[in-house]
Amino acid sequence: EPEVTQTPSHQVTQMGQEVILRCVPISNHLYFYWYRQILGQKVEFLVSFYNNEISEKSEIFDDQFSVERPDGSNFTLKIRSTKLEDSAMYFCASSESGGRQETQYFGPGTRLLVL
Amino acid sequence: AQSVTQPDIHITVSEGASLELRCNYSYGATPYLFWYVQSPGQGLQLLLKYFSGDTLVQGIKGFEAEFKRSQSSFNLRKPSVHWSDAAEYFCAVGALISNFGNEKLTFGTGTRLTIIP
Repeated sequence: EPEVTQTPSHQVTQMGQEVILRCVPISNHLYFYWYRQILGQKVEFLVSFYNNEISEKSEIFDDQFSVERPDGSNFTLKIRSTKLEDSAMYFCASSESGGRQETQYFGPGTRLLVL
Repeated sequence: AQSVTQPDIHITVSEGASLELRCNYSYGATPYLFWYVQSPGQGLQLLLKYFSGDTLVQGIKGFEAEFKRSQSSFNLRKPSVHWSDAAEYFCAVGALISNFGNEKLTFGTGTRLTIIP
């Protein structure tokens, strides 16, 4: 069964450093998402991406964050200058089309620790 | 704005016993509701979803959920749990991203399910 994959599974970085989290969505999917979960808190929506543009972003997704689909398979989340509060589990998701009934398929997550 | 409350942080049940996980939502329009499960080291897997029609929906792994509009609830049930059901369970409500037609999901804090022999 096709699945969303994410790399790395864990990343440790120093505050102020740039990180890039990578995702490979399911191959025929057109809509892509990033969510995050700070330890002990809710899974929160960050951004959705369709047709090479951001379709919606949350208040969390400020200028320090960016997303890109650099080729036909990868979908990346970049944090330009990490802060301690960026430590979280980051989930990538994808859906085949845009209907409200479409299922979002989630990857296993990347655990980011900012020191 | 939409929100989801899962009042139980942690539930322990015996193998073979019945299970009910609670979920309450807040959403201004017709809610699209989801239950996801996360096993350790795994992504979030969809158990079931509700959009319209029959308020009792069946999902994978023997789970079902009942939508009750009057109570703003979407509780997850299973008649007999198995040790493999031990995981974290998340309820979510979808909010339409206008102009694009897709959804962003708002999740609850999750309920951790422990199964004892």
